[in-house]
Amino acid sequence: AQSVTQLDSHVSVSEGTPVLLRCNYSSSYSPSLFWYVQHPNKGLQLLLKYTSAATLVKGINGFEAEFKKSETSFHLTKPSAHMSDAAEYFCVVGSARQLTFGSGTQLTVLP
Amino acid sequence: EAGVAQSPRYKIIEKRQSVAFWCNPISGHATLYWYQQILGQGPKLLIQFQNNGVVDDSQLPKDRFSAERLKGVDSTLKIQPAKLEDSAVYLCASSLSPYEQYFGPGTRLTVT
Repeated sequence: AQSVTQLDSHVSVSEGTPVLLRCNYSSSYSPSLFWYVQHPNKGLQLLLKYTSAATLVKGINGFEAEFKKSETSFHLTKPSAHMSDAAEYFCVVGSARQLTFGSGTQLTVLP
Repeated sequence: EAGVAQSPRYKIIEKRQSVAFWCNPISGHATLYWYQQILGQGPKLLIQFQNNGVVDDSQLPKDRFSAERLKGVDSTLKIQPAKLEDSAVYLCASSLSPYEQYFGPGTRLTVT
C-alpha cells in the first residue's frame, strides 16, 4: 500500500522568505508523486508532478519539489513566499490509477 | 475550457434525511471520481467511474451511499440516510490520464 506523511500540519512564513513543506512517502516501487494546492472555497489545483523523470520538478507559481529516493521524501519549496500562496497544500502519491492524499499542510504567509 | 462543475455548493440537512450531489466533468474526460474531504483531512476516494462503469467503490459506504454515472457523462452521489459523520466536502474530479485529475469546487455538506 502507498501512503504519504506530511510532517507539518501548519507552516507560517513571512512574505518574501523561503517556503518548505515537508512530505515523506511510502511505496513498494517507484511512485508517482504530486503536490496539490487548495485555496479557500476553490477546487484542488495540481502544482507539480514527479513521474520518474528528472528528480527536481518545477511547478506553477515558482514552486518546485525534489524527489529523494534515499530519504523517501518529496519536499515542496519556493524561494520567496507571496501573500497569494496562503492555502492548504497536499502531498499525493499515485498508484493503481488512483491518488492517495496526505493530511495537508496549511501555509500562512505573514505580511 | 470549462472546468468540473458541481452543485449545490452548500447543503445543510438533518440527520436521517437524504441528499444528492451532482457533478458535470470536463468534456471528453472518461474517468470520474468522487472524494470525501472531512475537515482537517485530505480527500479520500469514495468511487471511481470509467465511462459509465464502476472501477473502484471499495471505500464507498454502500449501506447509505450510492452513485451513478448514466451515459458516461454527469454523475450523481446520494446519501440516504445521512449521519452526523457525513459532514464533509464532497469533491468531484475528472481525468483523461490516470494521475492528472481536475477537481471541481466541491459541495460542503453539514448534517445537523
